[in-house]
Amino acid sequence: DIQMTQSPSTLSASVGDRVIITCRASQSISNLLAWYQQKPGKAPNLLIYKASTLENGVPSRFSGSGSGTEFTLTISSLQPDDFATYYCHQYNAYSFTFGQGTKLEIK
Amino acid sequence: QVQLVQSGAEVKKPGASVQISCRASGYTFTKYSMHWVRQVPRQGLEWVGVINPSGDSTTYAQSFQGRVTITRVTSTSTVYMELSGLRSEDTAVYYCARASSGYHNPWGQGTLVTVSS
Repeated sequence: DIQMTQSPSTLSASVGDRVIITCRASQSISNLLAWYQQKPGKAPNLLIYKASTLENGVPSRFSGSGSGTEFTLTISSLQPDDFATYYCHQYNAYSFTFGQGTKLEIK
Repeated sequence: QVQLVQSGAEVKKPGASVQISCRASGYTFTKYSMHWVRQVPRQGLEWVGVINPSGDSTTYAQSFQGRVTITRVTSTSTVYMELSGLRSEDTAVYYCARASSGYHNPWGQGTLVTVSS
């Protein structure tokens, strides 16, 4: 199985900050990577697919980049609604795997 | 709009089986695969398996092989996941999620399965 390593596991930041979350794959997955946001008690919500394509309706302060084994999710200016847990997800091969998650907390 | 509505919470004893349903609406059911993902409380996401659009092919995560069965009924636009031989470690929220070229979008609201004696 392809392993996905996400960092950091917890991130403390303030409204207005720029934050970057990193995801590393154990082998190349081309650009077949998605990012999801999950709030407590809710299902994950798709933010980005194909590493850098923003899902319809997702604010433009979210962006994704990378290919191969290294990927990043950037939030350019944190808003109060962005404090949540974020997961990366590779869909290059069966079986699909997720990163362990990054909890974004208010500093 | 595309919507996935799952069945309600379940409480099961160790060794029992559970079947969860996921009813789809707002799109052509026979054009998309459906995945199942689980989340142990306060932990991460774990992929369980997938069924193809026609329902004649499934792929399961190795850790669930032999215990999980995913099926679909086109007439009711419903996908089912059955997990057998339940143990306490299977206590989790189980999500269905429509496959969109591999990534998952959207997700169902989740079904809590509690395994307890």
